Order: sequence, then structure tokens, then C-alpha cells
Amino acid sequence: ETGVTQSPTHLIKTRGQQVTLRCSSQSGHNTVSWYQQALGQGPQFIFQYYREEENGRGNFPPRFSGLQFPNYSSELNVNALELDDSALYLCASSWASDSSSYEQYFGPGTRLTVT
Amino acid sequence: GQSLEQPSEVTAVEGAIVQINCTYQTSGFYGLSWYQQHDGGAPTFLSYNALDGLEETGRFSSFLSRSDSYGYLLLQELQMKDSASYFCAVSAPTGANNLFFGTGTRLTVIP
Repeated sequence: ETGVTQSPTHLIKTRGQQVTLRCSSQSGHNTVSWYQQALGQGPQFIFQYYREEENGRGNFPPRFSGLQFPNYSSELNVNALELDDSALYLCASSWASDSSSYEQYFGPGTRLTVT
Repeated sequence: GQSLEQPSEVTAVEGAIVQINCTYQTSGFYGLSWYQQHDGGAPTFLSYNALDGLEETGRFSSFLSRSDSYGYLLLQELQMKDSASYFCAVSAPTGANNLFFGTGTRLTVIP
């Protein structure tokens, strides 16, 4: 069984630039959620993708967007980067069901630094 | 909206028992989860409570009281490797199967 993988592991960007982060979900999982974790804080939900469609969104502006592909892998895109976007971005996969997917499997994250 | 409160830091001695509390306010509620995160690592799932009572998984137990909007994580026979951040997270019917995390409790286990 392959776990959740993310790329790249680290990234440095300049304010105003755009960035794309990638995630491969765990084998057998069809749902991907993205979280932003600032230093010393808990993960904050950005959005979730299920069957290639956005299935819920947290309190993040539209410049945060995403995609899910037929193989359930996913991308997070952030446009017009701001200094406050510097954080660890976590991807988590799960198997969606009628009840809430409380057990999510997290990838190691991408550390984004915006200068 | 959702809000969760946890102590920011807890220190305990190796071999002892420690309890990490979590109180929450949510609009809708499915259950309370607990995740562990070591420095530089990914959060890993520990436990989940949907109903009132105690769930035991090895050295870790988790408790939920829905009427009190309160839960706790109990770690027994503490080991040095248990030093990590522990997050409670609420699952709520918001249209997506997402988790709302607390700010985390930093547990330090000392010899």
C-alpha cells in the first residue's frame, strides 16, 4: 500500500508569484483534502476534492484553487503569493463515505516560503 | 463556526499518565478525532469518538462527552517518543468531510 506523497518538499517563492503543489493520494482513496499549517498552529482546511470536483472549501480566497485528476491525485495552486502564505501545506487522503471521513492520511507536506 | 480549545503545552515524566483536554463549539457535530504530529512530520491519526464514552487503543485512550462538548486524550506509560504535538479535530456536517483542528498541545516527556 502506497502512502500519501507530496512534491516538492520545500519551495521558495517571491511575493506575487504563482505556485503549484502536488499530491498523490493513498492507494484506494478517492478524496483529497488540502490544509495550510502555519508555524505553531493546527492545520487549517483549504478545500476538498471528491471525484474530481471541489466538495467544500474553508475560509481561503479564490487565489487558492485546486484540481483532482482521474487517478485521484491533486494539485493546489496559489496565485499572487503573499508573505502570509508561508506555511506547511498538507495533503490528506481518505475514502469518502456517508459519514464524515474522520481518519485522514496525511502526506509529509510542502514547506512554502514566500519572500 | 467552529472553535476548539486545548492547553498549549504539557510536560510529563516518562512512565507517567497524561491527559490532554479539548473543548469545542461547533455548528453540527459528527465526532472528535485526535492526531499526533512530531516535529517536521505529518499528522497521524490516533483515535476517534462519535459517541459518548471511552475508546481505548493500546496506551492511548480517548473520551467524549457530547453534552459537555468536551473530550480528552489519555496517554499511559509515557515514552520519550510520545513527545509531539497533539491535535483534537472536529468532524462536522459542513458539506465536506473535512476536519477542524485545534491549535494543538505540545507534549514534552522528560526522563
